[in-house]
Amino acid sequence: EPEVTQTPSHQVTQMGQEVILRCVPISNHLYFYWYRQILGQKVEFLVSFYNNEISEKSEIFDDQFSVERPDGSNFTLKIRSTKLEDSAMYFCASSERTLSDGYTFGSGTRLTVV
Amino acid sequence: DQQVKQNSPSLSVQEGRISILNCDYTNSMFDYFLWYKKYPAEGPTFLISISSIKDKNEDGRFTVFLNKSAKHLSLHIVPSQPGDSAVYFCAATRPQTYKYIFGTGTRLKVLA
Repeated sequence: EPEVTQTPSHQVTQMGQEVILRCVPISNHLYFYWYRQILGQKVEFLVSFYNNEISEKSEIFDDQFSVERPDGSNFTLKIRSTKLEDSAMYFCASSERTLSDGYTFGSGTRLTVV
Repeated sequence: DQQVKQNSPSLSVQEGRISILNCDYTNSMFDYFLWYKKYPAEGPTFLISISSIKDKNEDGRFTVFLNKSAKHLSLHIVPSQPGDSAVYFCAATRPQTYKYIFGTGTRLKVLA
């Protein structure tokens, strides 16, 4: 069954450093998303991406964050100048068409900022 | 602003019995709802969905009920199996948006 692949599974970074979280969505999917889950809290929407541009972003997704689809397969989330409160599980997801398809999520990247 | 609420953080059910997971929402603009299941160290997995034009959707052992007037949906699992033990999230979306709003999850434990 097709999968969304995320790397690394766990990233530890110093406060103030930049991190790039990587995702390979399912190949025929057109819509891409990043969500995060702070430990013990709900899964929160960060950003959606379609046709090489951001289609929607949350208030969490400020100038510290950026997304990119650098080639035909990868979808990245860059977090500049990381803060302690950025520590969370970050989930990438993709969908073929609209939201009614449901997403396919990756297994997540656990980001720990120390 | 918690638009999607799952008020029970955990639920334990005996194997073979029915599991009922509940979800309430506040935004009357929501028109599509999903349930996701999540195992530790994995991403959420899509389970079942329901459109606001329906009040019930069934898929094998899983049935989702939607009560629009009460802004309430529930997931029924019958019969419950130990492999169903996971965290279950409900999620909702409305027109002209690309995002889902997730609840905080309910941890289901099915006892053998």
